[in-house]
Amino acid sequence: AQSVTQPDIHITVSEGASLELRCNYSYGATPYLFWYVQSPGQGLQLLLKYFSGDTLVQGIKGFEAEFKRSQSSFNLRKPSVHWSDAAEYFCAASGGGADGLTFGKGTHLIIQP
Amino acid sequence: DAGVIQSPRHEVTEMGQEVTLRCKPISGHDYLFWYRQTMMRGLELLIYFNNNVPIDDSGMPEDRFSAKMPNASFSTLKIQPSEPRDSAVYFCASRKTSGGYNEQFFGPGTRLTVL
Repeated sequence: AQSVTQPDIHITVSEGASLELRCNYSYGATPYLFWYVQSPGQGLQLLLKYFSGDTLVQGIKGFEAEFKRSQSSFNLRKPSVHWSDAAEYFCAASGGGADGLTFGKGTHLIIQP
Repeated sequence: DAGVIQSPRHEVTEMGQEVTLRCKPISGHDYLFWYRQTMMRGLELLIYFNNNVPIDDSGMPEDRFSAKMPNASFSTLKIQPSEPRDSAVYFCASRKTSGGYNEQFFGPGTRLTVL
């Protein structure tokens, strides 16, 4: 069965520190991969996406993610976090074509001053 | 562009009542998706449409749930009768197919509470 796993439910980092959120997927073939962010009471905003090509993708708000086929991973990174980055982050995958997204359970990011 | 519009933003109802959630996709988008978000199960795909036609409703939890898309600019998700376990945030998303795969744009969600 297709699945997306985010092993960290909560992560706490200090403001200005670097960040890495983990995501692993299990699909029959390389899926399309996404990272979304959700602030409290808000909808989901797309941070970045990977379809093919360069395995390091740049997104909005200074985020980047690296696709590693050998590890079935698509980890999200940011070199220096800001207090406004505190939110819920979701990794998602799609088999391509016309289907919907399979989401991970999310990682809650807490920023310490 | 106004983005995906959902109404109501919040709905509180009593068990057994009918609930209708509404969605207006982004103009020109040909795919529409309904998702449900709960603490226990996270974000789940319920159903999606292409050009107003339901393509996959395998995520609809039970017969109490139904979804329609009478035209390209409107979709409804109905729960009848509602139960407390239906309490969740329901998201609508839309996508445009043009020259390949494009990302889904999400609405703000409808927070449903069934008492």
